[in-house]
Amino acid sequence: DAGITQSPRHKVTETGTPVTLRCHQTENHRYMYWYRQDPGHGLRLIHYSYGVKDTDKGEVSDGYSVSRSKTEDFLLTLESATSSQTSVYFCAAGIGSPDTQYFGPGTRLTVL
Amino acid sequence: AQSVSQHNHHVILSEAASLELGCNYSYGGTVNLFWYVQYPGQHLQLLLKYFSGDPLVKGIKGFEAEFIKSKFSFNLRKPSVQWSDTAEYFCAVNAFTTSGTYKYIFGTGTRLKVLA
Repeated sequence: DAGITQSPRHKVTETGTPVTLRCHQTENHRYMYWYRQDPGHGLRLIHYSYGVKDTDKGEVSDGYSVSRSKTEDFLLTLESATSSQTSVYFCAAGIGSPDTQYFGPGTRLTVL
Repeated sequence: AQSVSQHNHHVILSEAASLELGCNYSYGGTVNLFWYVQYPGQHLQLLLKYFSGDPLVKGIKGFEAEFIKSKFSFNLRKPSVQWSDTAEYFCAVNAFTTSGTYKYIFGTGTRLKVLA
């Protein structure tokens, strides 16, 4: 599993509150990704990072921001959570170039 | 826009039946293709991948996939499924972007249920 952990694993929050999810990896992978998984939509890319302080948007980036100040950590922030952001969030990491992604265990977020 | 289509959303099979899950992608450049599997309650893990060479790729647990460039397809197959193959299967494309980075595009997934 390439040593990828996510915290928290479960979170319930209220609409309008800020939420930060953390992804930590121990394998020094250059690329890190945040996805959300929803029934009928599969995995959709939110943001990804191709190095420290280098990030880019995915297909569903509205309402989310990310930061990567260290190789091992990639943070996903919901500035003002909405019910439509209730989902399971997966972090992944990899060397980038065409190669395998290694996934974390996921964070189940519920926004009431 | 780049996309990955998985046409079978839910598949139910009996043990020992043969499996084929469809995957088609839309992308004009060079792609690298993957199948990932998510067992109930677990995170995604790699099943197999294709980068180049022999278009018939063998993965773990008896799975294989065939890359057909002319059809933009990368279908997953297994000759005889087991109850333990019950899982959700995702096809993915790794594409080089115009900004010089790589990103993945996943299909919507196929839920496979194997009846004992």
